[in-house]
Amino acid sequence: DTAVSQTPKYLVTQMGNDKSIKCEQNLGHDTMYWYKQDSKKFLKIMFSYNNKELIINETVPNRFSPKSPDKAHLNLHINSLELGDSAVYFCASSLPWSEQFFGPGTRLTVL
Amino acid sequence: AQTVTQSQPEMSVQEAETVTLSCTYDTSESNYYLFWYKQPPSRQMILVIRQEAYKQQNATENRFSVNFQKAAKSFSLKISDSQLGDTAMYFCALYTGNQFYFGTGTSLTVIP
Repeated sequence: DTAVSQTPKYLVTQMGNDKSIKCEQNLGHDTMYWYKQDSKKFLKIMFSYNNKELIINETVPNRFSPKSPDKAHLNLHINSLELGDSAVYFCASSLPWSEQFFGPGTRLTVL
Repeated sequence: AQTVTQSQPEMSVQEAETVTLSCTYDTSESNYYLFWYKQPPSRQMILVIRQEAYKQQNATENRFSVNFQKAAKSFSLKISDSQLGDTAMYFCALYTGNQFYFGTGTSLTVIP
């Protein structure tokens, strides 16, 4: 069974479009995260949710909006996609004082 | 503010040899955890090893071990008997109770 899953794994789209990436974890974790990994492999935290409540919201354009319908899901919606949004997006989850488990990543390419 | 520094962007090692990846961190928290994650070309992030700051004993996991120097805020990863499958990006991470902080990564290549 996949612990943290993301869909889709690859996403190619045109500038200006709106897209969503879904994340689900079956580990029973309370906290979920979204990270952006750029072409230089830098991992940047975007958002963190604990029990459906937003607890970390780093400096991210308003075009990015996370949504957590329940504590097992954390989706990322991106409006008006720009070239600079091209990256790999990782979802992760964790328990308090424990390691993070990562999803397989979603490679987003904006043309 | 919490910071994690990996000063070696790239490293290489001969197969079967030993290599050490460096990581330094800064935090004012008294309780924290440290991790090493591996990201192979498949891009999956895989936990390699973790160290609780309150533990004096260095963590080991098979061929992977750490040298945790709390006073120096240093957390290096030693890979013994390097294998081709160890070729990956390695990230050092600090957890302080509400957030993870990642270093910029070290790209390790194991040469046959």
